[in-house]
Amino acid sequence: KAGVTQTPRYLIKTRGQQVTLSCSPISGHRSVSWYQQTPGQGLQFLFEYFSETQRNKGNFPGRFSGRQFSNSRSEMNVSTLELGDSALYLCASSSGRGTDTQYFGPGTRLTVL
Amino acid sequence: AQSVTQPDIHITVSEGASLELRCNYSYGATPYLFWYVQSPGQGLQLLLKYFSGDTLVQGIKGFEAEFKRSQSSFNLRKPSVHWSDAAEYFCAVGARNNDMRFGAGTRLTVKP
Repeated sequence: KAGVTQTPRYLIKTRGQQVTLSCSPISGHRSVSWYQQTPGQGLQFLFEYFSETQRNKGNFPGRFSGRQFSNSRSEMNVSTLELGDSALYLCASSSGRGTDTQYFGPGTRLTVL
Repeated sequence: AQSVTQPDIHITVSEGASLELRCNYSYGATPYLFWYVQSPGQGLQLLLKYFSGDTLVQGIKGFEAEFKRSQSSFNLRKPSVHWSDAAEYFCAVGARNNDMRFGAGTRLTVKP
C-alpha cells in the first residue's frame, strides 16, 4: 500500500506571497492532519480534515487554511507569507475512526525569504 | 488538554549500549500513546503505540515502551543501540478526537 505523499517537497517563496501544499493520504484513509515543525516550536498541530470537513483546529492565524476533496486528498494554503512561516509542513493520514494511528508523509520544506 | 514532556533534549549513547528515552504525559482520561522517530529532513515513522491492554508494548527496530499509569510515563527502551538509530524521537499523546500532541523531541546521538 502506498504511503502518504506530499508535494512539492521543497518550496521557496518570498514574504507576502501565498503557497499551497498538497497531501495524498494512504488509500482508504479519510482523515488528514497537518502539522508545522520548526526548531523553536517543535511539532504543532494545524488542523484535521475528515470527510471534507475540518474537524479539529490548532492555534494558528487565519492565514493558514485547508481543504479536503472527495478523494480525501488535502491541500493547505498559507496566505501573506511571513519569515516565521519557514518550516517543515507535515501531513498525516489515518482512518479517522476515534484516535487511530497517524501515518506521516515526508513533509514539504517551505523557506520564506 | 493533553500534553507531553520529554525531559531530555539530547542523549548520547555508545553503540551497543542500552537506551531509555523518557516521556511523561498529562491527560485526564486513558491516553493513546505513541513513539515516532524522525531522521533528518524526513517525516515521522511510527515505532510503537499503546491504546490499551498489556502495558509493555513491542515496536519495530527492536524498540519497546512501557506504560506506567501511576507515573504518567511511557518510556522508550532498546537493549542495544545501533548507529542507524541516531535520529530524533518524539513521544505523542492522542485524545479521543484524534487531536495529537507531541513532545519537543529527544535527539539521539550514537557514538561508535
